[in-house]
Amino acid sequence: GAVVSQHPSWVICKSGTSVKIECRSLDFQATTMFWYRQFPKQSLMLMATSNEGSKATYEQGVEKDKFLINHASLTLSTLTVTSAHPEDSSFYICSATSTSGRGSYEQYFGPGTRLTVT
Amino acid sequence: AQSVSQHNHHVILSEAASLELGCNYSYGGTVNLFWYVQYPGQHLQLLLKYFSGDPLVKGIKGFEAEFIKSKFSFNLRKPSVQWSDTAEYFCAVPNSGNTPLVFGKGTRLSVIA
Repeated sequence: GAVVSQHPSWVICKSGTSVKIECRSLDFQATTMFWYRQFPKQSLMLMATSNEGSKATYEQGVEKDKFLINHASLTLSTLTVTSAHPEDSSFYICSATSTSGRGSYEQYFGPGTRLTVT
Repeated sequence: AQSVSQHNHHVILSEAASLELGCNYSYGGTVNLFWYVQYPGQHLQLLLKYFSGDPLVKGIKGFEAEFIKSKFSFNLRKPSVQWSDTAEYFCAVPNSGNTPLVFGKGTRLSVIA
């Protein structure tokens, strides 16, 4: 199956600093990538949709100036959490789309990045 | 917009008991349906998916799910659970077409010996 990787898997940063998280599709080209956020013991909430070569589309309530998303190539999207605060501590998960042989929609998930802001 | 409901927040079962987790979605028509599992401390893994054809879908680790279009449901089942099935289970449906998956709130399954 299609593989999506994330780096780093775990990061601790100080309040006020910025952190960049990478999402890569390893064996397929991903025209669209998605960023989700998961708080402890809760479900995944979509933050934004990232299309290669264009600006990301953010969900309501997500600050686009705080969560900068770049999708510069068909295999890489990055999420930068700017001026991080403790409330930004969460599990960030990316996913990428690939179309199966039957043309059906499918979404592949990365392993997630745990961000802890102190 | 599509919404997904998982009715059971936390299910506790003894080993060898049968499992059924409910999932309902709001929009009809052509839908792709997914169940994911997240073991403690691990990332999401696809359990099974339905795109078309036989509404009874078999997935990994002995799980299966049945798509009932008239009920907008895609319930997950397993005849006999094991301690290793302890995890969080998420039902997911694309919002529409080629747009991102919308997840249910998840059901935490605890299997006790």
